[in-house]
Amino acid sequence: ETAVFQTPNYHVTQVGNEVSFNCKQTLGHDTMYWYKQDSKKLLKIMFSYNNKQLIVNETVPRRFSPQSSDKAHLNLRIKSVEPEDSAVYLCASSPDSGNTLYFGEGSRLIVV
Amino acid sequence: GDSVTQTEGPVTVSESESLIINCTYSATSIAYPNLFWYVRYPGEGLQLLLKVITAGQKGSSRGFEATYNKETTSFHLQKASVQESDSAVYYCALGDRNRIFFGDGTQLVVKP
Repeated sequence: ETAVFQTPNYHVTQVGNEVSFNCKQTLGHDTMYWYKQDSKKLLKIMFSYNNKQLIVNETVPRRFSPQSSDKAHLNLRIKSVEPEDSAVYLCASSPDSGNTLYFGEGSRLIVV
Repeated sequence: GDSVTQTEGPVTVSESESLIINCTYSATSIAYPNLFWYVRYPGEGLQLLLKVITAGQKGSSRGFEATYNKETTSFHLQKASVQESDSAVYYCALGDRNRIFFGDGTQLVVKP
């Protein structure tokens, strides 16, 4: 049963536009993540938040910015998208850092 | 940094044959990381298959097993007799204090 909800599921946009992905978890977890899955299905961590605090910020372009209003929500904004941003963005939550992840179904971004 | 290396896919086996997908890890930030196997079945989201957090212990789920071997830094996934429904992409993963790192994934194809 899904408990990590992502919207939108799919988005097509042009280079230079701004995109936002939303994520909400109903598991009561303290930690949330954004991962990027590229065309080769490789999974790379981008950010993690614990109780609204940023704790991991991997080397990602500055046009990516996470936003957390509370520990149940973690959004991802991309300013001025580039073609290489085309990917599936996976949101996940965890009861604590470094522990089991519960994933959403992903948000597929296509930049044309 | 921390990393995970696993068998490159696709791996093709016939139904009822045995399976092993190799996974080795490198953990520099933590002495005893949590180790995981995740799976993505066709049309479904990424989900936990099994995890082991104590060196020397074995985890099992759905007929799959993996043993946390600290000496060889390995966490190989094994199954004695695969089924067609096991066809999926399998990810080995390592959890340190703040994040979980994934291997590149191994696609398993089970032929009837």
